[in-house]
Amino acid sequence: AQKVTQAQTEISVVEKEDVTLDCVYETRDTTYYLFWYKQPPSGELVFLIRRNSFDEQNEISGRYSWNFQKSTSSFNFTITASQVVDSAVYFCALSDARTSGGSYIPTFGRGTSLIVHP
Amino acid sequence: ETGVTQSPTHLIKTRGQQVTLRCSSQSGHNTVSWYQQALGQGPQFIFQYYREEENGRGNFPPRFSGLQFPNYSSELNVNALELDDSALYLCASSPQRGEKLFFGSGTQLSVL
Repeated sequence: AQKVTQAQTEISVVEKEDVTLDCVYETRDTTYYLFWYKQPPSGELVFLIRRNSFDEQNEISGRYSWNFQKSTSSFNFTITASQVVDSAVYFCALSDARTSGGSYIPTFGRGTSLIVHP
Repeated sequence: ETGVTQSPTHLIKTRGQQVTLRCSSQSGHNTVSWYQQALGQGPQFIFQYYREEENGRGNFPPRFSGLQFPNYSSELNVNALELDDSALYLCASSPQRGEKLFFGSGTQLSVL
């Protein structure tokens, strides 16, 4: 079965600090997809990134970067120079074929609440 | 391009009642998924519809049922409401199965 663990329940930082959100996953499939979503107070989850299991290249998008390491089954998310607007709950998700009968339905972690203080 | 819209935004029901939640998927998206998110938890998968057929189901009892219409909009029906059904219900659409999900803002259901 697929599983996603976000061990950090809440992280509190001061603006301009760098912060890393951890995500550890479990799957028996060799083909799978990893995602990060952001949920601001409005409630709507916003897609941030999708990564497939064959692409271990790290990715940077502005202040956001992602570190995918298959050896440790981790897909960590770093925000550089955090801003108050980054305050939200961040979810890591995993989809594979085996658990969902080929439909690649994502399983979400419990989320990490990030609070950025001015 | 219209995003995913859900109605109503808030709903209060009493135990034992039935409720229907609605979702309009993003234009061109043929896959709709429903998730239940309890306070402080991650979204839990309820079921997914692909081209009007149920395509996958999470660990939810049969009193949770759904439909997808020819225009790919969808409904989530919950019968015999229980107190534990109180949660944010999220609808998400995607252009294909396995692709990124586009979420609506959710329906906050309170069961008293």
